[in-house]
Amino acid sequence: DAKTTQPPSMDCAEGRAANLPCNHSTISGNEYVYWYRQIHSQGPQYIIHGLKNNETNEMASLIITEDRKSSTLILPHATLRDTAVYYCIVYNFGNEKLTFGTGTRLTIIP
Amino acid sequence: DVKVTQSSRYLVKRTGEKVFLECVQDMDHENMFWYRQDPGLGLRLIYFSYDVKMKEKGDIPEGYSVSREKKERFSLILESASTNQTSMYLCASSRQLSSYNSPLHFGNGTRLTVT
Repeated sequence: DAKTTQPPSMDCAEGRAANLPCNHSTISGNEYVYWYRQIHSQGPQYIIHGLKNNETNEMASLIITEDRKSSTLILPHATLRDTAVYYCIVYNFGNEKLTFGTGTRLTIIP
Repeated sequence: DVKVTQSSRYLVKRTGEKVFLECVQDMDHENMFWYRQDPGLGLRLIYFSYDVKMKEKGDIPEGYSVSREKKERFSLILESASTNQTSMYLCASSRQLSSYNSPLHFGNGTRLTVT
């Protein structure tokens, strides 16, 4: 599986857009990018995933660069409840072995 | 909504005890997983199962075994608990799809302390 690199921590003001970067320079053509988050004392929660195109759902947007070597998760209007650790993961169909890194600790500042 | 339920939120066991961690999912998912989470190490995969009675080793299977007798239930077994198995244990499940891996749905974890 391709490895990912994320900053260990970030701050964002409440109400602003939070942009969380992820590098995955060794990603292969059939590997998807997934984002999860983990709020304190809960299990990780799925946010969004994509292959090539940008994706948006009710929680967030995912922007994947054209060469697919990096991506950005965007939380458009961050709230205090978005304070969590965010994990960026890449893996491919058929390999059920999903490996998490240590993620980015996002703190939303009131 | 998918629900993944872990039987205990907190558990305290003694060294050498046999420990069972139970996980049940209610969405008929084929795949089930056990992870452990430790500070600074992220989530590490212990075992996973893609069908009843099937199991595959993850990255850190030593000291653990698993059982999947029914589709909805996946048990993690510590045959003889040791203090280095003190950790947060997370169960997850997912569907098997034809074209991409479906997202994992996690339980809220069992914090196990071995004394």
